Amino acid sequence: GAGVSQTPSNKVTEKGKYVELRCDPISGHTALYWYRQSLGQGPEFLIYFQGTGAADDSGLPNDRFFAVRPEGSVSTLKIQRTERGDSAVYLCASSPLAGYEQYFGPGTRLTVT
Amino acid sequence: SQKIEQNSEALNIQEGKTATLTCNYTNYSPAYLQWYRQDPGRGPVFLLLIRENEKEKRKERLKVTFDTTLKQSLFHITASQPADSATYLCALEGWQGGKLIFGQGTELSVKP
Repeated sequence: GAGVSQTPSNKVTEKGKYVELRCDPISGHTALYWYRQSLGQGPEFLIYFQGTGAADDSGLPNDRFFAVRPEGSVSTLKIQRTERGDSAVYLCASSPLAGYEQYFGPGTRLTVT
Repeated sequence: SQKIEQNSEALNIQEGKTATLTCNYTNYSPAYLQWYRQDPGRGPVFLLLIRENEKEKRKERLKVTFDTTLKQSLFHITASQPADSATYLCALEGWQGGKLIFGQGTELSVKP
């Protein structure tokens, strides 16, 4: 079946702009996760949803970052007033429930110039 | 704060040998430990999950051990093949489930 998909695959934006990154999880998976990964590092947790609600947003670095999952499937990660330090690969993952293995998408490479 | 360390240097081995990767952690008592494989430009792919009350788990050529006293997991690939070349990530998960805390990964290169 279809895996986790993320759009766009690449996004280049100017410092100070607003961006939205989209994630389509595997159908039926109730848990959805966002991570970001810098070169040579492992993924860093940002936020996870159980259904429509954010169960843990402890990884969001500051209030410029926000994520939603209004209908319990597709999720959007929103970044306001982007900074060069936000440049990274943003990964989305889903799982049937929290506590199970996670299935990752290919990521969105965000470059802030 | 929680800290996870994997072999920082790349591991180079000959085809057919056993690759052993190490994951050490501090300031954490995980319920689960997971291993993932990541190829360049791709998202991580799940390999194995081991629970804190399990000592060892096997899947085909893969074996994972979990020592909660030493706070260490070892990941073995037997009869390694060039296709096993990738970065391998260990990740810890707490009792409440959900977020994974990843190590920085170890790059494995298997030469024919």
